[in-house]
Amino acid sequence: GENVEQHPSTLSVQEGDSAVIKCTYSDSASNYFPWYKQELGKRPQLIIDIRSNVGEKKDQRIAVTLNKTAKHFSLHITETQPEDSAVYFCAASKGVNSGGYQKVTFGIGTKLQVIP
Amino acid sequence: NAGVMQNPRHLVRRRGQEARLRCSPMKGHSHVYWYRQLPEEGLKFMVYLQKENIIDESGMPKERFSAEFPKEGPSILRIQQVVRGDSAAYFCASRSAGSGRNEQFFGPGTRLTVL
Repeated sequence: GENVEQHPSTLSVQEGDSAVIKCTYSDSASNYFPWYKQELGKRPQLIIDIRSNVGEKKDQRIAVTLNKTAKHFSLHITETQPEDSAVYFCAASKGVNSGGYQKVTFGIGTKLQVIP
Repeated sequence: NAGVMQNPRHLVRRRGQEARLRCSPMKGHSHVYWYRQLPEEGLKFMVYLQKENIIDESGMPKERFSAEFPKEGPSILRIQQVVRGDSAAYFCASRSAGSGRNEQFFGPGTRLTVL
């Protein structure tokens, strides 16, 4: 089955600096890579995702990059703000075009702290 | 359009009792996933269901745990004879069968405490 590794497990940055979280996956058939943000005591919420036919995607201060050959993908947050403090999970999945069955495998999570 | 609903939000049980966790997916969603999250840990897949079918239960313990998603009504995660190690947050997520990807929408979770 799929195995997703994520690092670092904790990350502290000064407000305004950038934060980078990296993940690797094992199943070369995975083609959908979402990122979730979970604030303390709240539900995980999708913040950005990328499909395997795209190398990079950006949404305001958040960007994701994907290297299919190396089987790794990263989340980049620029100009960090205190409200970015949360746990971030990467995940990998085969999409609907891969036989119908889908299961998302999550990384262990990265606790990001943005220091004002 | 209401999001994914879970109830109860908090559940306290004594060892040996049964816990029933409910999940109502988003309207139009026919796929439900259950995850367990221990404090300071990630989301562990438990089971994946479609209406009236269990698709993948590879993450669910063989004993004491069961799940269902009937034709009508919410999905139920049932834990029999709970033990302290079952204390965790249980999240369900739902997705649409028709989407071209696998975006899952999470419920608020049920926090189970076993005394």
